[in-house]
Amino acid sequence: DAKTTQPPSMDCAEGRAANLPCNHSTISGNEYVYWYRQIHSQGPQYIIHGLKNNETNEMASLIITEDRKSSTLILPHATLRDTAVYYCIVRVSNDYKLSFGAGTTVTVRA
Amino acid sequence: DTGVSQNPRHKITKRGQNVTFRCDPISEHNRLYWYRQTLGQGPEFLTYFQNEAQLEKSRLLSDRFSAERPKGSFSTLEIQRTEQGDSAMYLCASSLFREIVNEKLFFGSGTQLSVL
Repeated sequence: DAKTTQPPSMDCAEGRAANLPCNHSTISGNEYVYWYRQIHSQGPQYIIHGLKNNETNEMASLIITEDRKSSTLILPHATLRDTAVYYCIVRVSNDYKLSFGAGTTVTVRA
Repeated sequence: DTGVSQNPRHKITKRGQNVTFRCDPISEHNRLYWYRQTLGQGPEFLTYFQNEAQLEKSRLLSDRFSAERPKGSFSTLEIQRTEQGDSAMYLCASSLFREIVNEKLFFGSGTQLSVL
């Protein structure tokens, strides 16, 4: 059963902010939102995660709505190297595994 | 390079043959995961180890699949009597597990298996 819904693909312009949406309307109180990305021919790479507060690190920002039913990953200044598949994952706090969906294929164009 | 290393990068085999993949995790990482990924899909969990103990196996891991992590260091994934449906990218990931809420997985680049 899918816990998250993401658009299959999106384009963004190099140098602009990329806003990647994720719907997780059935999220429970003890479930975290994780984002990973997978560049072609590589394994997934951790980006960021959060529970209910907005989070920021050197790669991206994560904005979680107050009701926690959706979130947005923001890449502040997209570069061509950000072209990848981005996975939004909801993980129960006591779950040993990450369950990946199909993700969003993000293409950054010059 | 101190990342997760997987060998070989590519493996072509004939149906019915056995294959073995190796994963060298990041040094001192205590958890090691195996995932499988087919074209256009996200990775699917297969199994994981806490040190040398294999703690969980997915239903995807049939009896033809076996994984080991002797001494809690490198791990091997063996597929016996390969089938064409086994063709996929096999990904290994490791983590330094202290608390699950902050666990970050580091993935290798995978082994691409093609069964002819």
